[in-house]
Amino acid sequence: KNQVEQSPQSLIILEGKNCTLQCNYTVSPFSNLRWYKQDTGRGPVSLTIMTFSENTKSNGRYTATLDADTKQSSLHITASQLSDSASYICVVSTLGGSYIPTFGRGTSLIVHP
Amino acid sequence: KAGVTQTPRYLIKTRGQQVTLSCSPISGHRSVSWYQQTPGQGLQFLFEYFSETQRNKGNFPGRFSGRQFSNSRSEMNVSTLELGDSALYLCASSFGRRPYNEQFFGPGTRLTVL
Repeated sequence: KNQVEQSPQSLIILEGKNCTLQCNYTVSPFSNLRWYKQDTGRGPVSLTIMTFSENTKSNGRYTATLDADTKQSSLHITASQLSDSASYICVVSTLGGSYIPTFGRGTSLIVHP
Repeated sequence: KAGVTQTPRYLIKTRGQQVTLSCSPISGHRSVSWYQQTPGQGLQFLFEYFSETQRNKGNFPGRFSGRQFSNSRSEMNVSTLELGDSALYLCASSFGRRPYNEQFFGPGTRLTVL
């Protein structure tokens, strides 16, 4: 069964600090992995998209890594800001004509001043 | 460029009723996907439409259906509503169906079933 596990479930950090969120998956065959940021009451916003051949992708202060061999990904947030408080969701899609996505349950990040 | 719009934003229905939700994708986007988000299950894929054809379907009962029109606008219908259908229903559009095509989500429709 395709699964995506995220850790930690929740995280509280101080403004200006860095943090790393983890995503482990068992989705096969692998097509792509995406990280989304979802603010409360809003739809998710794409942060990064990585295919099999990519192992690092950056978007401003957000850097995602992918290890396709160990089926692990991480999202590193640098110099956190209050606006980074949100849920971060890892999504893995299967290969082929059916890009059916499997979602992680998300990591809830709270940044305190 | 306008983003993905969903109507209505909030909806209250009673068990047994049916409901239709609407999604207007970003201009030029031909792929529209629907998702259900609940506190218990998180985000789950419902179905995807491309060029008026359903391309993929998630593991949901037949009470959940959808369609896409020639202008790429999409509707989702849920018949015989159950309490467990209470959720945030999200629509997302993308230009194509390639793995690197970014998906843009709408704000969602919050459905409450009483």
